[in-house]
Amino acid sequence: EVQLVESGGGLVQPGRSLRLSCVTSGFSFGDYTMHWFRQAPGKGLEWVGFIRSQAYGEATEYAASVKGRFTISRDDSKSIAYLLMNSLKTEDTAVYYCGSGYTYGPDIFDLWGQGTMVTVSS
Amino acid sequence: QSVLTQPPSASGTPGQRVTISCSGSSSNIGSNTVNWYQQLPGTAPKLLIYSNNQRPSGVPDRFSGSRSGTSASLAISGLQSEDEADYYCAAWDDSLDNAVFGGGTQVTVL
Repeated sequence: EVQLVESGGGLVQPGRSLRLSCVTSGFSFGDYTMHWFRQAPGKGLEWVGFIRSQAYGEATEYAASVKGRFTISRDDSKSIAYLLMNSLKTEDTAVYYCGSGYTYGPDIFDLWGQGTMVTVSS
Repeated sequence: QSVLTQPPSASGTPGQRVTISCSGSSSNIGSNTVNWYQQLPGTAPKLLIYSNNQRPSGVPDRFSGSRSGTSASLAISGLQSEDEADYYCAAWDDSLDNAVFGGGTQVTVL
């Protein structure tokens, strides 16, 4: 069974850092682009960024709202994707999801984790 | 403010047809395919329609999608109570080099 499980969320003060993990199983993780998304309380979905597979140089792209503060990485040996969030702001408060385009194409997100909540507050 | 524009809400009685619109631009819907996601309360989004009008395995055929120019739409025929959810359109944006989403439409079954 294909699974994505996020962890690492919690309460953090503004300006601090937090690293989220997306532990995967059941598919060839190293072959796939991994994305991160977020959803602020009561709001819509926002794409955060992606990391391509090693075959594509592990290239990354980020949304303008997080560029320069967030970093996505991956460990193919452990089938884990990471989201390192620095200089956190109150507006980064959201449920964070990892996901991937597994079946139908790299930008058709049919795999999602259950999400992990990040609260940025003093 | 979302890059793709959706109505915030839609509603219908059981059995009715409901349509949700999604408006974009030449850099997203106008040049890339549209996907739709369903999000039930308290759960992660689920792929509902991909490549404008394709249904993943397991999605009932009462859900259908279409795209024309820089707009797309999702139709739910024979509305059922379990269709109460938030629906999001999404596409890749070539100018932003981002995936972009609509703001979501909350569907209520009256």
